[in-house]
Amino acid sequence: DVKVTQSSRYLVKRTGEKVFLECVQDMDHENMFWYRQDPGLGLRLIYFSYDVKMKEKGDIPEGYSVSREKKERFSLILESASTNQTSMYLCASSRGGPDTQYFGPGTRLTVL
Amino acid sequence: KQEVTQIPAALSVPEGENLVLNCSFTDSAIYNLQWFRQDPGKGLTSLLLIQSSQREQTSGRLNASLDKSSGRSTLYIAASQPGDSATYLCATGPGNNDMRFGAGTRLTVKP
Repeated sequence: DVKVTQSSRYLVKRTGEKVFLECVQDMDHENMFWYRQDPGLGLRLIYFSYDVKMKEKGDIPEGYSVSREKKERFSLILESASTNQTSMYLCASSRGGPDTQYFGPGTRLTVL
Repeated sequence: KQEVTQIPAALSVPEGENLVLNCSFTDSAIYNLQWFRQDPGKGLTSLLLIQSSQREQTSGRLNASLDKSSGRSTLYIAASQPGDSATYLCATGPGNNDMRFGAGTRLTVKP
């Protein structure tokens, strides 16, 4: 079974803090993704990576950065957290080609 | 830019009923269409994936159809059970790295 894990299920941070969200997959997938999910808006892609050290911006990259130093690990960084970044963050991975995305359990981030 | 819409936003049915969830998309140039299930506070679980060349996929009590020309997909759930209660999302796009998700349909199956 594919397993995608995220470092925290719940996180509370203060405005201006630097926040790291980590995602690890154990299936040697090439592609990894970070989404945020907000009520009524669905999932929106923040960044994705198709290989180590490679990244592409999604629909809403502003205020976020990512790092992929190893194939199995994809980190999302909030350089200076703001209250409008309070959200559910979901990580996913997939093989190259016509494969589904496998999701982690999500991190609910609250920025006070 | 692809837009994905799911109507209704919420649906409540009695146990045992057959039901259909709808998904519509604006751009027919899709790579595939996927249906996911999400339980409250959890991640997404893949249910069915339909390649752009296919018309339908089946898994157990679930059947998903795809009509690219009309920009529609349906998820049919037979003999619904309380354990089917969840939010169902569809997603599609021109490539696997460019998927657009609908906002989901929240299904409640009452015992």
